[in-house]
This record gives sequence, C-alpha cells and structure tokens, in this order.
Amino acid sequence: AQTIHQWPVAEIKAVGSPLSLGCTIKGKSSPNLYWYWQATGGTLQQLFYSITVGQVESVVQLNLSASRPKDDQFILSTEKLLLSHSGFYLCAWSPSSAETLYFGSGTRLTVL
Amino acid sequence: QQKVQQSPESLIVPEGGMASLNCTFSDRNSQYFWWYRQHSGEGPKALMSIFSNGDKKEGRFTAHLNKASLHVSLHIKDSQPSDSALYFCAVWSNYNVLYFGSGTKLTVEP
Repeated sequence: AQTIHQWPVAEIKAVGSPLSLGCTIKGKSSPNLYWYWQATGGTLQQLFYSITVGQVESVVQLNLSASRPKDDQFILSTEKLLLSHSGFYLCAWSPSSAETLYFGSGTRLTVL
Repeated sequence: QQKVQQSPESLIVPEGGMASLNCTFSDRNSQYFWWYRQHSGEGPKALMSIFSNGDKKEGRFTAHLNKASLHVSLHIKDSQPSDSALYFCAVWSNYNVLYFGSGTKLTVEP
C-alpha cells in the first residue's frame, strides 16, 4: 500500500526566516506530486505540481519554491517567510494526471 | 482560470436526514469532477468522482453532473454525525491543476 508522510507536523517561524517542508511517498513509483495551501477553514489552493523528477511547475506565485530531488520526495521552501505564508500546507500524490489526489496529513505553519 | 463556487457555505442537518451540496464551475471544457471531504486537522480524502452527465451513486452518496448548466451536486442520504466535515467540489483543468471550490461545512446533529 502507498503511504505519504509529511514533515514537520507543525512549525512556528519568524517573519523573514527560511522554511523547508517536505513529503515522501512510499509504495508508488513515478507519482505525480502536488503542493497545496489552505487558510484556516478555507479552500485549497494548488501551488506546484511535478510529473517527473527534477521538473516542477508553478501554479501561483506566493514567494515559494518547490523541488523534486528524488522520485519519491517533494520539497517546499522559501528563503524569507511573510505573515501571509501562515496556513496549512498539504502534499498530495496521484497515479497520473487528472486522477484521485491522495493527501498527506499536512503541516501547520504559523508565521509571527 | 477555472472558478469553482460552492453553496451553501454551511449546512446543518439532523441525523438520518438528507444533505445536498451544490457546486458550479466556469470552464465549459471541464471533464473530470471530484468531491473531497476533510475532517478537522486532517488532509482531504476523495469521496467520489463523476465524469458523465447524470447521477452516480456510491452507497449513501449520490453525485449529479450537468455539464450544460456547469453544475455538479452531492447528496448524502441518511446523514451520520461522522459525516460532519468540510466538503469540497474539485475540477481538473489542463489535467495537472485541480481547482477546489470554497467548501461547505456540514454539521450532522444527533
């Protein structure tokens, strides 16, 4: 069975500090990978997607970047956090395009 | 860009009742539609998909799609307290971007 693990579970960071969030997918080779952001109780906004290792496409510009260094790993990062970056970050995978998304349990980020 | 709107924003139904959630989308070329459910503090989970006009039933859940009117709905029969959650309609665009609606908060009262 496939599993998705996100880390860390929660972060409290200062404005202007760097950030790195990650997720790992086990049990599925060459999955499509996605990053989503969610304000508390709000909708889910897709940030990035990746179809293959080393290739990442941006969907919205939020002063964030993403990388896929390995087939099973997806990293979200920024060098300088803003207050507006606070929220719930979710990593997801799908077997291929336009199929069911399987989400991780998320990272709660608070920027002070 | 695809716009996905949901109504109502929140809904309270009694246990055993019927919950009806609505969603409209803007891109007439859309083909693949999903409903997701998110319990508090968790990631969303897919409930069901619908690709063709008409109804699709899975257990207590029935989705309805009308592409001509840009409308998709979800009906939950015999609602249970465990159905209390945020429900999202989602529509694929360009095969790699999944747009989520604004969400409906469902509360099922025992």
